[in-house]
Amino acid sequence: DVKVTQSSRYLVKRTGEKVFLECVQDMDHENMFWYRQDPGLGLRLIYFSYDVKMKEKGDIPEGYSVSREKKERFSLILESASTNQTSMYLCASSSLGRGVLSGANVLTFGAGSRLTVL
Amino acid sequence: AQSVAQPEDQVNVAEGNPLTVKCTYSVSGNPYLFWYVQYPNRGLQFLLKYITGDNLVKGSYGFEAEFNKSQTSFHLKKPSALVSDSALYFCAVRAWGNEKLTFGTGTRLTIIP
Repeated sequence: DVKVTQSSRYLVKRTGEKVFLECVQDMDHENMFWYRQDPGLGLRLIYFSYDVKMKEKGDIPEGYSVSREKKERFSLILESASTNQTSMYLCASSSLGRGVLSGANVLTFGAGSRLTVL
Repeated sequence: AQSVAQPEDQVNVAEGNPLTVKCTYSVSGNPYLFWYVQYPNRGLQFLLKYITGDNLVKGSYGFEAEFNKSQTSFHLKKPSALVSDSALYFCAVRAWGNEKLTFGTGTRLTIIP
Protein backbone atom coordinates (compact mmCIF):
# COMPACT_ATOMS: atom_id res chain seq x y z
CA ASP A 1 0.00 0.00 0.00
CA VAL A 2 1.04 3.54 -0.68
CA LYS A 3 1.84 5.23 2.54
CA VAL A 4 1.95 8.92 3.28
CA THR A 5 3.08 9.52 6.82
CA GLN A 6 2.71 12.80 8.66
CA SER A 7 5.02 13.04 11.62
CA SER A 8 2.66 14.64 14.13
CA ARG A 9 -1.02 13.91 14.54
CA TYR A 10 -1.66 16.69 17.04
CA LEU A 11 0.38 19.80 17.82
CA VAL A 12 -0.20 22.74 20.11
CA LYS A 13 1.97 25.80 19.56
CA ARG A 14 2.07 29.38 20.74
CA THR A 15 1.69 32.47 18.60
CA GLY A 16 5.00 33.43 17.03
CA GLU A 17 6.58 29.99 17.25
CA LYS A 18 8.16 28.39 14.21
CA VAL A 19 6.36 25.19 13.28
CA PHE A 20 7.53 22.32 11.10
CA LEU A 21 5.11 19.77 9.69
CA GLU A 22 6.81 16.79 8.12
CA CYS A 23 5.47 14.43 5.48
CA VAL A 24 7.11 11.32 4.03
CA GLN A 25 5.87 9.07 1.22
CA ASP A 26 7.25 5.69 0.29
CA MET A 27 6.04 5.20 -3.29
CA ASP A 28 8.61 7.25 -5.18
CA HIS A 29 5.95 9.80 -6.18
CA GLU A 30 7.09 12.92 -7.98
CA ASN A 31 4.29 15.20 -6.76
CA MET A 32 3.65 16.20 -3.17
CA PHE A 33 1.04 18.59 -1.81
CA TRP A 34 0.08 20.43 1.36
CA TYR A 35 -3.57 21.30 1.96
CA ARG A 36 -5.36 22.76 4.93
CA GLN A 37 -8.87 21.64 5.80
CA ASP A 38 -11.30 23.94 7.58
CA PRO A 39 -15.03 23.42 8.20
CA GLY A 40 -17.11 25.04 5.49
CA LEU A 41 -14.05 25.83 3.40
CA GLY A 42 -13.06 22.34 2.31
CA LEU A 43 -9.49 21.65 1.30
CA ARG A 44 -7.36 24.54 0.14
CA LEU A 45 -4.00 24.04 -1.51
CA ILE A 46 -1.08 25.75 0.23
CA TYR A 47 1.92 24.56 -1.80
CA PHE A 48 2.88 21.71 -4.04
CA SER A 49 6.07 20.29 -5.43
CA TYR A 50 6.62 18.27 -8.58
CA ASP A 51 10.32 17.58 -8.05
CA VAL A 52 13.11 17.85 -5.53
CA LYS A 53 13.86 21.49 -4.70
CA MET A 54 10.91 22.61 -6.83
CA LYS A 55 7.83 24.26 -5.38
CA GLU A 56 4.73 26.00 -6.62
CA LYS A 57 2.36 28.24 -4.71
CA GLY A 58 -1.15 27.02 -4.26
CA ASP A 59 -4.20 29.11 -3.47
CA ILE A 60 -3.24 30.22 0.06
CA PRO A 61 0.55 30.32 0.40
CA GLU A 62 0.74 33.40 2.61
CA GLY A 63 2.33 32.69 5.97
CA TYR A 64 3.75 29.34 4.85
CA SER A 65 6.87 28.03 3.19
CA VAL A 66 7.93 24.55 2.12
CA SER A 67 11.04 22.51 1.68
CA ARG A 68 11.71 19.48 -0.49
CA GLU A 69 15.31 18.39 -0.18
CA LYS A 70 14.59 14.72 -0.87
CA LYS A 71 12.02 13.16 -3.16
CA GLU A 72 10.21 11.35 -0.37
CA ARG A 73 9.97 14.24 2.08
CA PHE A 74 7.97 17.46 1.90
CA SER A 75 7.96 19.85 4.84
CA LEU A 76 5.55 22.66 5.59
CA ILE A 77 6.94 25.53 7.63
CA LEU A 78 5.07 28.20 9.52
CA GLU A 79 7.73 30.84 10.17
CA SER A 80 5.70 32.62 12.85
CA ALA A 81 2.52 30.80 13.78
CA SER A 82 -0.67 32.77 14.19
CA THR A 83 -4.05 31.79 15.60
CA ASN A 84 -5.65 31.88 12.15
CA GLN A 85 -3.37 29.01 11.16
CA THR A 86 -5.14 26.70 13.57
CA SER A 87 -6.33 23.98 11.22
CA MET A 88 -6.04 20.41 10.00
CA TYR A 89 -3.11 20.06 7.62
CA LEU A 90 -3.16 17.29 5.04
CA CYS A 91 -0.20 16.07 3.03
CA ALA A 92 -0.68 14.12 -0.20
CA SER A 93 1.38 12.63 -2.98
CA SER A 94 0.83 11.39 -6.52
CA SER A 95 2.84 10.16 -9.44
CA LEU A 96 3.41 12.47 -12.37
CA GLY A 97 1.03 11.90 -15.24
CA ARG A 98 2.40 11.59 -18.74
CA GLY A 99 0.94 12.89 -21.98
CA VAL A 100 -2.83 12.75 -22.25
CA LEU A 101 -3.07 11.32 -18.73
CA SER A 102 -1.20 14.22 -17.21
CA GLY A 103 -3.27 15.25 -14.24
CA ALA A 104 -5.29 12.02 -14.06
CA ASN A 105 -3.38 10.53 -11.18
CA VAL A 106 -4.96 10.00 -7.81
CA LEU A 107 -3.73 11.72 -4.67
CA THR A 108 -2.91 9.58 -1.66
CA PHE A 109 -3.36 11.41 1.61
CA GLY A 110 -1.78 11.17 5.00
CA ALA A 111 -3.86 10.99 8.17
CA GLY A 112 -3.49 14.71 8.83
CA SER A 113 -1.88 16.95 11.44
CA ARG A 114 -4.19 18.96 13.63
CA LEU A 115 -2.44 22.17 14.64
CA THR A 116 -3.72 24.45 17.36
CA VAL A 117 -2.05 27.84 17.77
CA LEU A 118 -2.73 29.54 21.10
CA ALA B 1 -8.93 29.18 -12.89
CA GLN B 2 -10.65 25.98 -11.85
CA SER B 3 -13.32 25.62 -9.17
CA VAL B 4 -15.79 23.18 -7.69
CA ALA B 5 -19.16 23.82 -6.07
CA GLN B 6 -20.88 21.45 -3.70
CA PRO B 7 -24.18 23.22 -3.07
CA GLU B 8 -25.27 21.10 -0.10
CA ASP B 9 -23.37 21.19 3.19
CA GLN B 10 -25.46 18.35 4.57
CA VAL B 11 -27.45 15.53 2.99
CA ASN B 12 -29.62 13.15 5.03
CA VAL B 13 -30.88 9.91 3.51
CA ALA B 14 -32.75 6.99 5.00
CA GLU B 15 -30.95 3.68 4.95
CA GLY B 16 -31.83 1.69 1.83
CA ASN B 17 -32.85 4.75 -0.19
CA PRO B 18 -30.86 6.03 -3.16
CA LEU B 19 -28.47 8.88 -2.48
CA THR B 20 -27.10 11.73 -4.56
CA VAL B 21 -24.35 14.17 -3.61
CA LYS B 22 -24.13 17.08 -6.02
CA CYS B 23 -21.07 18.62 -7.63
CA THR B 24 -20.60 21.19 -10.37
CA TYR B 25 -17.29 22.38 -11.72
CA SER B 26 -15.62 25.09 -13.75
CA VAL B 27 -12.39 24.53 -15.65
CA SER B 28 -10.72 25.66 -18.86
CA GLY B 29 -10.62 22.79 -21.30
CA ASN B 30 -11.32 19.16 -20.47
CA PRO B 31 -11.62 18.16 -16.84
CA TYR B 32 -10.45 15.32 -14.71
CA LEU B 33 -13.02 14.84 -11.94
CA PHE B 34 -12.66 13.00 -8.64
CA TRP B 35 -14.62 12.05 -5.57
CA TYR B 36 -12.92 11.49 -2.23
CA VAL B 37 -14.43 10.41 1.07
CA GLN B 38 -13.33 11.17 4.62
CA TYR B 39 -14.55 8.91 7.39
CA PRO B 40 -14.41 10.21 10.98
CA ASN B 41 -10.84 10.60 12.27
CA ARG B 42 -9.35 9.29 9.05
CA GLY B 43 -7.60 10.74 6.03
CA LEU B 44 -9.20 11.25 2.63
CA GLN B 45 -9.69 8.17 0.50
CA PHE B 46 -10.16 8.06 -3.26
CA LEU B 47 -13.59 6.84 -4.45
CA LEU B 48 -13.67 7.27 -8.20
CA LYS B 49 -12.58 9.45 -11.09
CA TYR B 50 -13.62 10.52 -14.57
CA ILE B 51 -10.91 10.90 -17.21
CA THR B 52 -12.60 10.37 -20.54
CA GLY B 53 -14.97 7.96 -22.26
CA ASP B 54 -18.09 6.56 -20.62
CA ASN B 55 -19.96 9.25 -18.70
CA LEU B 56 -20.96 6.83 -15.94
CA VAL B 57 -18.05 5.97 -13.70
CA LYS B 58 -18.16 3.20 -11.11
CA GLY B 59 -16.03 3.30 -7.99
CA SER B 60 -15.47 1.81 -4.57
CA TYR B 61 -18.19 0.69 -2.12
CA GLY B 62 -20.93 0.65 -4.79
CA PHE B 63 -20.69 4.35 -5.60
CA GLU B 64 -20.96 5.75 -9.10
CA ALA B 65 -20.89 9.20 -10.64
CA GLU B 66 -22.24 10.65 -13.84
CA PHE B 67 -20.28 13.18 -15.87
CA ASN B 68 -22.53 15.69 -17.62
CA LYS B 69 -20.54 18.05 -19.81
CA SER B 70 -23.43 20.33 -20.78
CA GLN B 71 -24.37 20.90 -17.14
CA THR B 72 -20.74 20.81 -15.93
CA SER B 73 -21.77 18.38 -13.22
CA PHE B 74 -20.37 15.23 -11.67
CA HIS B 75 -22.93 14.01 -9.13
CA LEU B 76 -22.12 11.08 -6.86
CA LYS B 77 -24.78 8.38 -6.55
CA LYS B 78 -25.53 5.10 -4.88
CA PRO B 79 -28.69 3.02 -5.42
CA SER B 80 -29.10 1.92 -1.79
CA ALA B 81 -27.51 3.78 1.09
CA LEU B 82 -25.84 2.09 4.05
CA VAL B 83 -25.32 3.57 7.51
CA SER B 84 -21.59 3.01 6.96
CA ASP B 85 -21.72 5.48 4.03
CA SER B 86 -22.04 8.32 6.54
CA ALA B 87 -18.99 10.50 5.97
CA LEU B 88 -17.71 13.74 4.47
CA TYR B 89 -17.54 13.70 0.67
CA PHE B 90 -15.37 15.94 -1.47
CA CYS B 91 -15.55 16.56 -5.20
CA ALA B 92 -12.37 17.73 -6.95
CA VAL B 93 -11.36 18.92 -10.41
CA ARG B 94 -8.15 19.21 -12.36
CA ALA B 95 -7.63 20.53 -15.87
CA TRP B 96 -5.75 18.40 -18.35
CA GLY B 97 -2.02 18.94 -17.98
CA ASN B 98 -2.38 20.61 -14.59
CA GLU B 99 -1.09 18.84 -11.48
CA LYS B 100 -3.00 21.12 -9.12
CA LEU B 101 -6.20 19.54 -7.77
CA THR B 102 -8.97 21.86 -6.56
CA PHE B 103 -11.49 20.60 -4.01
CA GLY B 104 -15.02 21.63 -3.16
CA THR B 105 -16.15 22.56 0.33
CA GLY B 106 -17.45 19.09 1.10
CA THR B 107 -20.86 17.54 1.79
CA ARG B 108 -21.61 15.71 5.00
CA LEU B 109 -23.70 12.66 4.21
CA THR B 110 -25.70 11.13 7.05
CA ILE B 111 -27.54 7.86 6.55
CA ILE B 112 -30.40 7.46 8.97
CA PRO B 113 -31.15 3.92 10.14
